[in-house]
Amino acid sequence: QVTLRESGPTLVKPTQTLTLTCTFSGFSLSTSGMCVSWIRQPPGKALEWLALIDWDDDKYYSTSLQTRLTISKDTSKNQVVLTMTNMDPVDTATYYCARTPSFLGAVDSWGQGTLVTVSS
Amino acid sequence: DIVMTQSPDSLAVSLGERATINCKSSQSVLFSSTNKNYLAWYQQKPGQTPKLLIYWASTRESGVPDRFSGSGSGTDFTLTISSLQAEDAAVYYCQHYYSTPPGTFGQGTKLEIK
Repeated sequence: QVTLRESGPTLVKPTQTLTLTCTFSGFSLSTSGMCVSWIRQPPGKALEWLALIDWDDDKYYSTSLQTRLTISKDTSKNQVVLTMTNMDPVDTATYYCARTPSFLGAVDSWGQGTLVTVSS
Repeated sequence: DIVMTQSPDSLAVSLGERATINCKSSQSVLFSSTNKNYLAWYQQKPGQTPKLLIYWASTRESGVPDRFSGSGSGTDFTLTISSLQAEDAAVYYCQHYYSTPPGTFGQGTKLEIK
């Protein structure tokens, strides 16, 4: 059974750096073709894709946010970490990590999401 | 970057009727070497995480009812619900995964029961 769980702060101040950890089970990020994505959703708004890391440690970022994002993985711990610098209130959103196998291309499993509020 | 545009933004359909949601990409998401369209559809009900319905534009995910179907190629795609059920009320998103960066979503279409 595939599970993913996001963890990190629920409240950050403007200009701070957000660090989120995705801990997963039921698959390995060392398996060829496996990827993990980060996706966010502001309250009442649409999904926004942020970043993806693949089994080969290749990394892809949203063009509009790439200067602020870093994605990394720790295969031995089954974890993927996303950092976002210079947080702003508009970054308030539920942040999801999600399994994205390349044989599907699409996201087939989602974490439950973690709501991050940016406020002073 | 590829931009995904859905239409309409919202629609209301009666139970048992057909619902159609469109998705247009700013450039083709058909990969010629595989002849696959790198396009997925998701359903998100209130308070829930999104659920994958369709991938490769027309392949139904395991467990998805066959009243859901995806069609289209290149830049124009359609999600059709053939006979709307009450539990289908949700927001539907298309997403491409064709190019770098992969993963852009459409703005979503809210489907309500009339």
